[in-house]
Amino acid sequence: AQSVTQPDIHITVSEGASLELRCNYSYGATPYLFWYVQSPGQGLQLLLKYFSGDTLVQGIKGFEAEFKRSQSSFNLRKPSVHWSDAAEYFCAVGTSGTYKYIFGTGTRLKVLA
Amino acid sequence: DAGVIQSPRHEVTEMGQEVTLRCKPISGHDYLFWYRQTMMRGLELLIYFNNNVPIDDSGMPEDRFSAKMPNASFSTLKIQPSEPRDSAVYFCASSLIMDTQYFGPGTRLTVL
Repeated sequence: AQSVTQPDIHITVSEGASLELRCNYSYGATPYLFWYVQSPGQGLQLLLKYFSGDTLVQGIKGFEAEFKRSQSSFNLRKPSVHWSDAAEYFCAVGTSGTYKYIFGTGTRLKVLA
Repeated sequence: DAGVIQSPRHEVTEMGQEVTLRCKPISGHDYLFWYRQTMMRGLELLIYFNNNVPIDDSGMPEDRFSAKMPNASFSTLKIQPSEPRDSAVYFCASSLIMDTQYFGPGTRLTVL
């Protein structure tokens, strides 16, 4: 069965520092991969997605993610974090033909001024 | 576009009462999803619809939970009777074919 692992529950970075959030998935075929962000008391907002093609995808708010099939990973990166990036980030895998997403447990990002 | 609309945003009720959560998907979207988010279990898919028809309700926890989609612009999730362990944030999301799911702001349910 497919699964998604976000190994870091909490991450703290200083404003202006680079960021990498990890996501590993388990799925037999090529998955559809997503990163969402959730601010406190809000719904989930899509940052970026990967369906096929170029394995480096650009998203909103300066985020990017790279699909690495050999490592079953889809890590999220940002070169310089802003205080407004403090939120919870969810990785999700979608399965072809079923439209169901499996979400990771999330990584809560704290940004120090 | 107004996005996915959910109501109410907050609901506080007593154990045993009926609770109805409402969702209006984005116009033109043909898939609608109901999720539940808790600290213990994270985000769980409860049920999803395609063209108003329930496709997969395997995530619905118990018979106390039911969901309907009488038309393309409205869906309800009902809990009857409610229990304290149902306390969670319930999200509705919609999508167009196999594409991005757009989430509503959620309904925070507290069952006392």
